[in-house]
Amino acid sequence: AQSVTQLDSHVSVSEGTPVLLRCNYSSSYSPSLFWYVQHPNKGLQLLLKYTSAATLVKGINGFEAEFKKSETSFHLTKPSAHMSDAAEYFCVVSVNNDMRFGAGTRLTVKP
Amino acid sequence: DSGVTQTPKHLITATGQRVTLRCSPRSGDLSVYWYQQSLDQGLQFLIQYYNGEERAKGNILERFSAQQFPDLHSELNLSSLELGDSALYFCASSVTTSLRREGYNEQFFGPGTRLTVL
Repeated sequence: AQSVTQLDSHVSVSEGTPVLLRCNYSSSYSPSLFWYVQHPNKGLQLLLKYTSAATLVKGINGFEAEFKKSETSFHLTKPSAHMSDAAEYFCVVSVNNDMRFGAGTRLTVKP
Repeated sequence: DSGVTQTPKHLITATGQRVTLRCSPRSGDLSVYWYQQSLDQGLQFLIQYYNGEERAKGNILERFSAQQFPDLHSELNLSSLELGDSALYFCASSVTTSLRREGYNEQFFGPGTRLTVL
C-alpha cells in the first residue's frame, strides 16, 4: 500500500520569507498527490493536486508543488509567507481511491 | 464554505453509548467519505460510499458503521463507545464520475463533528 511521510512536524518562518514543506511518498503504482490545508477548527481545504500531468503544480494562495518521481517527493513551496498561511498542512497520496494522509506539518508565521 | 454540512458540531457522551453523525454532501456529489482525526492517530480514512453503495473501506472498526441514503446524505454510527473514540470526525464529498479516475477527484471537507467520550 502507498504511504506518505511529512518530514517536518513543525515549520516556523517569518512573514515575507519563503515556505518549504517537505513530503515524500511511497507507492507501487502511479499515484495522485494532494496538499490540503487545515485552519484551526476548520475542515480541510485543497491547495493543489498532481494527477500525472505537469510536474509543477500551481495551487491557491500562491502555493505550488513539484512532483519529482526520482526522489519520490512532492514538496510544497510558497515564495513569501503571509500571516494567514499559519495552519496545518497535509500531504496526501492516493491510489485507486485509497487516500493516505501524512501526519501533518504545522506552519507558524512570525510577524 | 465547502458546501458539505455536518451535524452536530459537538457531541459529548459516555462510554458504552451509541451516537450517529450526519453528513450532507455538496449538491451533485455522489461520493461521501468519512475520516477520523485524533492526536495520536492523525487523519485516517474510515469508509467511502458512492451513490448509496459502499465503495471503499479504510481503518474502520467493527463497532462503527455507515450508510448513504437515497438523497445522498450519509450517517456514521459509532457504538459501544470507548474513551479512545474521542476525535474529530470529518465527512468529505466528491463528484467521482468515473471509478478509474476516482483518485483524481478533489474531496470537499465538512467542518467536522467533535466527539468527546467521557
